[in-house]
Amino acid sequence: GQSLEQPSEVTAVEGAIVQINCTYQTSGFYGLSWYQQHDGGAPTFLSYNALDGLEETGRFSSFLSRSDSYGYLLLQELQMKDSASYFCAVPTGGGNKLTFGTGTQLKVEL
Amino acid sequence: EPEVTQTPSHQVTQMGQEVILRCVPISNHLYFYWYRQILGQKVEFLVSFYNNEISEKSEIFDDQFSVERPDGSNFTLKIRSTKLEDSAMYFCASSGTGGESDEQYFGPGTRLTVT
Repeated sequence: GQSLEQPSEVTAVEGAIVQINCTYQTSGFYGLSWYQQHDGGAPTFLSYNALDGLEETGRFSSFLSRSDSYGYLLLQELQMKDSASYFCAVPTGGGNKLTFGTGTQLKVEL
Repeated sequence: EPEVTQTPSHQVTQMGQEVILRCVPISNHLYFYWYRQILGQKVEFLVSFYNNEISEKSEIFDDQFSVERPDGSNFTLKIRSTKLEDSAMYFCASSGTGGESDEQYFGPGTRLTVT
């Protein structure tokens, strides 16, 4: 089976940098995705890492270490609108299925 | 920008009733999915659908559930004889190729309340 663990909650101030971690145990691994979900809203895709290392997309970066079964999402220059839940997810079944992590609620404060 | 749409946004039903949740995936996508999210919990995979067939389903997706693509644009999830524990947000998603790196686009969800 698959399990992906994340911290349940992270709080940071506007303008700061925050890191959201994800550790996973999967049978068969292709890569790690990150999704953002605002309260009551649809999950929206942020990034996908297939290879080890850091991928940067604007203020958001995502890191993967396959040997450590670990990844993180790095959010820089935090804004109030970044307050949301963030989920790591792994595609399985050749991409036919996403297994989501437990989710991290990020609260950005003034 | 193309988007996945879902109707209704909120459905209230009585235990034991049947409900049909509707989705219109992005028009040139080939893979379709249903997920659910119980309030305060993580998103859970229910089923994936490709070429008019179920390609994968989870243990949650038992005989109570069925999916259908009745025409070229709609994708439906039917829940027969609803139970209280079926109360959740149901998300439809679609992707172009279904590959591991292929982004899945989620609809806004249908909040199902079973009373």
